[in-house]
Amino acid sequence: GAVVSQHPSWVICKSGTSVKIECRSLDFQATTMFWYRQFPKQSLMLMATSNEGSKATYEQGVEKDKFLINHASLTLSTLTVTSAHPEDSSFYICSARVRGGYEQYFGPGTRLTVT
Amino acid sequence: DAKTTQPNSMESNEEEPVHLPCNHSTISGTDYIHWYRQLPSQGPEYVIHGLTSNVNNRMASLAIAEDRKSSTLILHRATLRDAAVYYCIDGRSNAGGTSYGKLTFGQGTILTVHP
Repeated sequence: GAVVSQHPSWVICKSGTSVKIECRSLDFQATTMFWYRQFPKQSLMLMATSNEGSKATYEQGVEKDKFLINHASLTLSTLTVTSAHPEDSSFYICSARVRGGYEQYFGPGTRLTVT
Repeated sequence: DAKTTQPNSMESNEEEPVHLPCNHSTISGTDYIHWYRQLPSQGPEYVIHGLTSNVNNRMASLAIAEDRKSSTLILHRATLRDAAVYYCIDGRSNAGGTSYGKLTFGQGTILTVHP
């Protein structure tokens, strides 16, 4: 149980285009989902926290107009990287947590390359 | 954010126990200690969490110092599949706040397991 999927697993896009990444909790309802970014040989950096049905809370320094997060249901959150640039190339990872739970269940990650 | 300190790397031999230390001297009384691990090019995986008492699950054991300023993750018999980056995290637990459930990842400990 507690499986989180991400789609796509990798994506290459041209500079200036937008990319949407989906995060789904497959066998549980996730009241809270988190989005992280990880650059090569670095640790995970939390980008934002999203609760179902409400606006996402972004970490300091993360542009909310560039990284659009939608948590439309208890099993789906999406991250849209708008007007992507090469510096947005990274490994994007989502996680999900059930209400009252302490564990976060992570997706397998999405490798974004912007050319 | 509360911080943890871990050794950069550790090595072990297969089928031997591994003790991964973590210092969290600024942890507050209600914050849980979480351990996650990450294999290359994958999302992190939940390992274990605890508050005050030692905890055991099928993956590992967590020994928490009486003053809660340090803890040790114990892998009882290391396998090659345990080679990963292990993250010790001081997790916020203020329910209802925007930081509830947030995990701040440090650099972690790179565990190498030799056959």
